[in-house]
Amino acid sequence: GIQVEQSPPDLILQEGANSTLRCNFSDSVNNLQWFHQNPWGQLINLFYIPSGTKQNGRLSATTVATERYSLLYISSSQTTDSGVYFCAVEQNSGNTPLVFGKGTRLSVIA
Amino acid sequence: KAGVTQTPRYLIKTRGQQVTLSCSPISGHRSVSWYQQTPGQGLQFLFEYFSETQRNKGNFPGRFSGRQFSNSRSEMNVSTLELGDSALYLCASSLDRAFWGYTFGSGTRLTVV
Repeated sequence: GIQVEQSPPDLILQEGANSTLRCNFSDSVNNLQWFHQNPWGQLINLFYIPSGTKQNGRLSATTVATERYSLLYISSSQTTDSGVYFCAVEQNSGNTPLVFGKGTRLSVIA
Repeated sequence: KAGVTQTPRYLIKTRGQQVTLSCSPISGHRSVSWYQQTPGQGLQFLFEYFSETQRNKGNFPGRFSGRQFSNSRSEMNVSTLELGDSALYLCASSLDRAFWGYTFGSGTRLTVV
């Protein structure tokens, strides 16, 4: 099946710093989503981005489908950005709706 | 509009018991999928339902089962609970596969003692 790799696994930032999270996937996909898991466990959808670039406030994401990777940018990080960020992909022919990476655990320190 | 609703939020059960978890998708969404999250295995796919039909099933033992009702609400059942079933169970709702994206509920945290 498709493999999804996220890097780095852990990231510690000072408040106000910028960061880039990466997601590599091993096959073509119809869907790619970035999620933020809050401390209570809920997966909050950040971006639905199978290709191209999107921005939402301090967050932006870019997916280069032909090269099979996606990047999530967090600018001017805040302590509330802490948590785990997951990349998940969906293949049209796959048996699994979403295949998740192992996540990047972000800690933003004041 | 209301999001994806999962009940209960927390559950403590004893080994050998069975449990039923519920998921109500966003109004109009016909696809519901379930995932198990554990620290060791990450997020793993359990089932996918679309219009009351199970479309796919993940690699879990037969103790895990599910169903979807005509109003798109879904339930999953785990029988003969084991300690290793302790996990966060997440439900996702979508209009359909691909091109639409998935919205997740808050999850049910199951602890088996």
